[in-house]
Amino acid sequence: DAKTTQPPSMDCAEGRAANLPCNHSTISGNEYVYWYRQIHSQGPQYIIHGLKNNETNEMASLIITEDRKSSTLILPHATLRDTAVYYCIVRVASDYKLSFGAGTTVTVRA
Amino acid sequence: DAGVTQSPTHLIKTRGQHVTLRCSPISGHKSVSWYQQVLGQGPQFIFQYYEKEERGRGNFPDRFSARQFPNYSSELNVNALLLGDSALYLCASNYGPGYNSPLHFGNGTRLTVT
Repeated sequence: DAKTTQPPSMDCAEGRAANLPCNHSTISGNEYVYWYRQIHSQGPQYIIHGLKNNETNEMASLIITEDRKSSTLILPHATLRDTAVYYCIVRVASDYKLSFGAGTTVTVRA
Repeated sequence: DAGVTQSPTHLIKTRGQHVTLRCSPISGHKSVSWYQQVLGQGPQFIFQYYEKEERGRGNFPDRFSARQFPNYSSELNVNALLLGDSALYLCASNYGPGYNSPLHFGNGTRLTVT
């Protein structure tokens, strides 16, 4: 699997958009970008995934650059409950595992 | 709909003992995966089972084993427990390989080995 690079931590203000970057410069053509988050003492929660088009669901938006070497997860209106570790993972759809890195610790402040 | 359920939620064992952890996947999901998460790190892949067969295995010793039952539930077994086996053990399920189906995780079993 291609590796991803994320900033170790970031802060954002409650009610503002949170933009979480991820670099995956060695991504291959059949690898998807997945985002998960893990709130303290819980299991990872699936957020969104995409191949090359931008995606949006009720939780977030995923913006993938045209060359697919990086992506941004956008939480449109961050709340205190969005404080978590966010993981960006690239994976072939048929692969049997997810390879988690260290993720980004996001702290939403009132 | 119920998510992935794991039992027990917490467990304390002594070195050298054996432990069995249980997982029920989301209804309709036929694949179950197990992950180990030690404090301060991301989850690490242990096993994947699909249609009762092992389809993938991570870099874990033979003390770790698992199985999947006809109803797609799964057990993870760890023998001869070591202090280093203390971790959060996570189970995840999806429809299976080739379905472009994201993994959905349970909240894990917190194992403490003393």
